[in-house]
Amino acid sequence: QSVLTQPPSVSGAPGQRVTISCTGSSSNIGAGYPVHWYQQLPGTAPKLLIYANSNRPSGVPDRFSGSKSGTSASLAITGLQAEDEADYYCLSYDSSLSGWVFGGGTKLTVL
Amino acid sequence: QEQLQQWGAGLLKPSGTLSLTCTFYGGSFSTYYWSWIRQPPGKGLEWIGEINHSGGTNYNPSLKSRVTISIDTSKNQFSLKLSSVTAADTAVYYCARISQGTFDYWGQGTLVTVSS
Repeated sequence: QSVLTQPPSVSGAPGQRVTISCTGSSSNIGAGYPVHWYQQLPGTAPKLLIYANSNRPSGVPDRFSGSKSGTSASLAITGLQAEDEADYYCLSYDSSLSGWVFGGGTKLTVL
Repeated sequence: QEQLQQWGAGLLKPSGTLSLTCTFYGGSFSTYYWSWIRQPPGKGLEWIGEINHSGGTNYNPSLKSRVTISIDTSKNQFSLKLSSVTAADTAVYYCARISQGTFDYWGQGTLVTVSS
């Protein structure tokens, strides 16, 4: 049971928009700690996709965007492409645990 | 180009000690915090712990009694030791750099299997 809750799976057709939610609590997201998002392709290390709620590292397409509100955050992917099929993880800091916590991960399937 | 390269034993017997090392290339080492993260086969990511350039550490409470993270700034290296391993510790272990409040660079990952 992860401290941050994500849907196990989402899917969409090429060109569509999908969102992935990340729900936390008052000791992590709700406490104001930023949320970060990672993309993990099969057999590879996670890649930073969004940092500090809504910022994209250099090289990440603007099809990817992040937002945060209250105790939750969301990752949106527009113009879905086959290469976006991967696992996505959210990350934040938890004051009760005094450490970093990941969401359980969401598998994105491009239909 | 900044990168992390990690290595260590991939097969351990139960009750043994896991030992991994990670080297940072291509940038400043002492400016950052460094971390270890693991991922059991087919499962999600779990933060293990972190260390700063002065050797200050912070560990996941669920692993704290068995984890030691150390640093050697002269070699741009940091290491992980996990004692009394069981099959539940079988996972891909990643090293990572902490920058801008998140893990921005990751090592390639090392699969560690615990089996008798």
